Amino acid sequence: SYELTQPPSVSVSPGQTARITCSGDTLPKKFGYWYQQKSGQAPVLVIYEDSKRPSGIPERFSGSSSGTMATLTISGAQVEDEAAYYCYSADNSGRGVFGGGTKLTVL
Amino acid sequence: EVQLVESGGGLVKPGGSLRLSCAASGFTFSNAWMSWVRQAPGKGLEWVGHIKSKTDGGTKDYAAPVKDRFFISRDDLQSTLFLQMNSLKTEDTAMYFCTRDSGIDGDFYSDYWGQGTLVTVSS
Repeated sequence: SYELTQPPSVSVSPGQTARITCSGDTLPKKFGYWYQQKSGQAPVLVIYEDSKRPSGIPERFSGSSSGTMATLTISGAQVEDEAAYYCYSADNSGRGVFGGGTKLTVL
Repeated sequence: EVQLVESGGGLVKPGGSLRLSCAASGFTFSNAWMSWVRQAPGKGLEWVGHIKSKTDGGTKDYAAPVKDRFFISRDDLQSTLFLQMNSLKTEDTAMYFCTRDSGIDGDFYSDYWGQGTLVTVSS
């Protein structure tokens, strides 16, 4: 089955840049998406179609994709950005796939 | 404002069945593709399946672990999405989220999420 691979954890100090990667074989042909999930809450879309930001998402969140790797960048991470982040893409069979998730610690 | 409200979760024995509902509002439900996503306690997100709009054929796709046990349907008049879960296993224990899909065929994603309903499968 198709998989998206993320690092289990990333840690930065407040104000630093956090980068979370996601690798998958179909990413050269499929868009990558990113969700933020804070403890006890439903996920929230923070990046869609590789690099677009939904309304209401702070500008410090950005996305990029190159080859088999998608990257979520949080420039000047804040304490309130501490959360789990999941990448997502659709596979070639028309099914959705989530990465395993990355726990971002900001302290 | 888009709202998705799930209901129907609860405790069920292994081998049992449960039907989840998701009441949608704030958008034209009949035009939307809809998905179910689940999250086992302390684990990551898992795509369960989705249903296209009737205009786009109404076809359904499912993740391998639930295929032939779970069935997604929709009532466009009531703006409600359903997930019929049969032959439940302990590993189906999870929070189940209803989501609205956006994007295009072959490249879809969930743009709005409900708060979820908890399903516990235990004897």
